[in-house]
Amino acid sequence: LAKTTQPISMDSYEGQEVNITCSHNNIATNDYITWYQQFPSQGPRFIIQGYKTKVTNEVASLFIPADRKSSTLSLPRVSLSDTAVYYCLVGDALGNTGKLIFGQGTTLQVKP
Amino acid sequence: EAGVTQFPSHSVIEKGQTVTLRCDPISGHDNLYWYRRVMGKEIKFLLHFVKESKQDESGMPNNRFLAERTGGTYSTLKVQPAELEDSGVYFCASSNRDYYGYTFGSGTRLTVV
Repeated sequence: LAKTTQPISMDSYEGQEVNITCSHNNIATNDYITWYQQFPSQGPRFIIQGYKTKVTNEVASLFIPADRKSSTLSLPRVSLSDTAVYYCLVGDALGNTGKLIFGQGTTLQVKP
Repeated sequence: EAGVTQFPSHSVIEKGQTVTLRCDPISGHDNLYWYRRVMGKEIKFLLHFVKESKQDESGMPNNRFLAERTGGTYSTLKVQPAELEDSGVYFCASSNRDYYGYTFGSGTRLTVV
């Protein structure tokens, strides 16, 4: 399973767009990139998953360059409630064959 | 659809005692995982069930930890006897082949004193 590297912390203000970049230089051909969000006293929550190019859902966008060695989670117009830890993971797409390897994650602090 | 439920949410026990954590996965999810985070560390994998069978238990720290999933529904994780270093948050997650990502429970915060 590929190791990921992401910034430990980021600060932003309400209404801004936040981009969190994750490096995964050793990503395998069949690996997908998945982002989770974790609030205090809760378990991680699936946000978005992608393989290449761009994926968008109602919560975020995920940008993946052609070499797939990095990815960027984009949160549009963040609010105070987006303050959380964001984890980037690579591995199986459908979550039915193996374990997740969590790094330290990025602690996003959204300020008023 | 109900999510992954964990019980209890908090547990404080003395060193040497036994504690049993329970996880109820989403109905129909064959895959069930246990993870834990000890203070200041990253979330670490403990083990993976597929239905009632242990698929991967490489993350179990030692033989004081016993996980079961009788009947392939809910799972229990027993720590006996508990040690101080077992303190942390224990998460359960479930998934199936038709669903992107894993659904985590809110965790059980275990404190061993």
